[in-house]
Amino acid sequence: QKEVEQNSGPLSVPEGAIASLNCTYSDRVSQSFFWYRQYSGKSPELIMSIYSNGDKEDGRFTAQLNKASQYVSLLIRDSQPSDSATYLCAAPGDYNNNDMRFGAGTRLTVKP
Amino acid sequence: SAVISQKPSRDICQRGTSLTIQCQVDSQVTMMFWYRQQPGQSLTLIATANQGSEATYESGFVIDKFPISRPNLTFSTLTVSNMSPEDSSIYLCSVPDESTYNEQFFGPGTRLTVL
Repeated sequence: QKEVEQNSGPLSVPEGAIASLNCTYSDRVSQSFFWYRQYSGKSPELIMSIYSNGDKEDGRFTAQLNKASQYVSLLIRDSQPSDSATYLCAAPGDYNNNDMRFGAGTRLTVKP
Repeated sequence: SAVISQKPSRDICQRGTSLTIQCQVDSQVTMMFWYRQQPGQSLTLIATANQGSEATYESGFVIDKFPISRPNLTFSTLTVSNMSPEDSSIYLCSVPDESTYNEQFFGPGTRLTVL
């Protein structure tokens, strides 16, 4: 069973700062990782996916993957109050299936 | 991306009763998943619903407690049986992006409170 672990936080940053969210996983074979954002009372939505070692940037979001260390992170630059949400790290559960295994989530609050 | 609807959006139920949650997708999909999100917790996979075969349940979840139907490629139901307050959760159905199988699309969820 793959395990995805997150420091559940919560994390609070001032507006304009960089928010750093971290995740580790137990399965060395995992090839893809995902960051979902979940606003309170809403369902999760995918914001980033990463498959290769290194950085992947999309606007203010940067995902970083280090397969040797089994570590994936999400950086949010110029954090905005609208970024306040719970961020969930996820990895595919099984190569023969298409479900997702989620970390506990990190609750981020961006203070104006 | 798939558009998913769920009914009911929320319900308050009495202990010992059962609730059936419906999930409708706007396109045909091979797999549908049911997740549970307990208060303040992350998502936990309950089962995979496959059309034409029995659902596959994850460890800790059994068919008697969470029977699932999948009558066609756009619809599934999850029943929460003989409910107790511990079943109070948000129940979400999801489908994979069938072009890449990389992304999961989630329904809006059903917020269940058991008294």
